[in-house]
Amino acid sequence: GAVVSQHPSRVICKSGTSVKIECRSLDFQATTMFWYRQFPKQSLMLMATSNEGSKATYEQGVEKDKFLINHASLTLSTLTVTSAHPEDSSFYICSAYDSYEQFFGPGTRLTVL
Amino acid sequence: AQSVSQHNHHVILSEAASLELGCNYSYGGTVNLFWYVQYPGQHLQLLLKYFSGDPLVKGIKGFEAEFIKSKFSFNLRKPSVQWSDTAEYFCAVRGTGNQFYFGTGTSLTVIP
Repeated sequence: GAVVSQHPSRVICKSGTSVKIECRSLDFQATTMFWYRQFPKQSLMLMATSNEGSKATYEQGVEKDKFLINHASLTLSTLTVTSAHPEDSSFYICSAYDSYEQFFGPGTRLTVL
Repeated sequence: AQSVSQHNHHVILSEAASLELGCNYSYGGTVNLFWYVQYPGQHLQLLLKYFSGDPLVKGIKGFEAEFIKSKFSFNLRKPSVQWSDTAEYFCAVRGTGNQFYFGTGTSLTVIP
């Protein structure tokens, strides 16, 4: 299957700072990428759908001004957690979609102190 | 909106036992259904998927799933589990707009 990378794999930041997470599709062009949040021992919660060249579509309850998504190219989508707080600590996972299935990145563990 | 429910939260089996994990979805139209697996410390991987045609779908590593439209179900099965099958299993449905919605997951522990 296709390879999707995420960077960084782990980040620790102070409360109030912003953190950017990159998601790259390494071997195919993904017009659509998804961002998920996974809590410990729980399922993936879809946060937003990122479409190349257009605004992201956010799921209900997800603050678009707090979780900024940019999909500037067919191989890169970024998620910026603005003014992070301890409750934003979580595992963030992206996936790249090729119209049939998703290919998941390894995830980014965010810890906000 | 579509939703997915998985009834078994944690399953413990001995090696060679048979496995069946339940998955039900709520949506009346055409659905695409998926099972994903997440091995400890690894990212999600696709086990199998159903788009159309034969409702019995075979996936990797000896897994299969049966789509029963009348029951809105897509249960995952394996006749004989191995220790290496220990993982989290997630059922997912693709909805309108191509979004994927995941069930809460089932943690499978296989005892050698």
